[in-house]
Amino acid sequence: NAGVTQTPKFQVLKTGQSMTLQCAQDMNHNSMYWYRQDPGMGLRLIYYSASEGTTDKGEVPNGYNVSRLNKREFSLRLESAAPSQTSVYFCASREGTPGELFFGEGSRLTVL
Amino acid sequence: AQKITQTQPGMFVQEKEAVTLDCTYDTSDQSYGLFWYKQPSSGEMIFLIYQGSYDEQNATEGRYSLNFQKARKSANLVISASQLGDSAMYFCAMREVQPSNYQLIWGAGTKLIIKP
Repeated sequence: NAGVTQTPKFQVLKTGQSMTLQCAQDMNHNSMYWYRQDPGMGLRLIYYSASEGTTDKGEVPNGYNVSRLNKREFSLRLESAAPSQTSVYFCASREGTPGELFFGEGSRLTVL
Repeated sequence: AQKITQTQPGMFVQEKEAVTLDCTYDTSDQSYGLFWYKQPSSGEMIFLIYQGSYDEQNATEGRYSLNFQKARKSANLVISASQLGDSAMYFCAMREVQPSNYQLIWGAGTKLIIKP
């Protein structure tokens, strides 16, 4: 039972480098999300995709782009990484009621 | 304005005791939902329990129950007979129903440590 799979789990970048976080879910969920988690704070929504072919900004979208490649996959791209983007990133998916989120294991990103 | 408030940054509780983790929320919607998640030190987010705003009874899931007081806008998580494995961060989150949107608003979390 894979659920939601994120890669990579750890990444160290230098300021200005780019990278893509990959996320795939095998639960046939329509909605997918990218969150970031910083110490002492709750999760903050970066982008979400309510269904295949649509994406929308969340609370903290600046510096990120996303692609909903198909129903299974939702990637998050950092075009020019900044130290402020050092965080743990979570991908999640959901379907139906009550609509609890199913999370990946998280990706720890450090930008030097 | 903060919409989800978890006032206890950290708690120490003796094993086998019951635990109450506080969560207050702020919304003008009549229809909303409240979730609790657990995050162990390994980092994954685990869904625990859900309460809908129109649910007449408090939600229960095994050792977890939700003390929902709608008038006070509180949704406290109660863990009965705590175990060492309950040591984790606990997050309260609220879903607001919007026309074409679904977002969870998260509290900052409570770190629970169970003492043997």
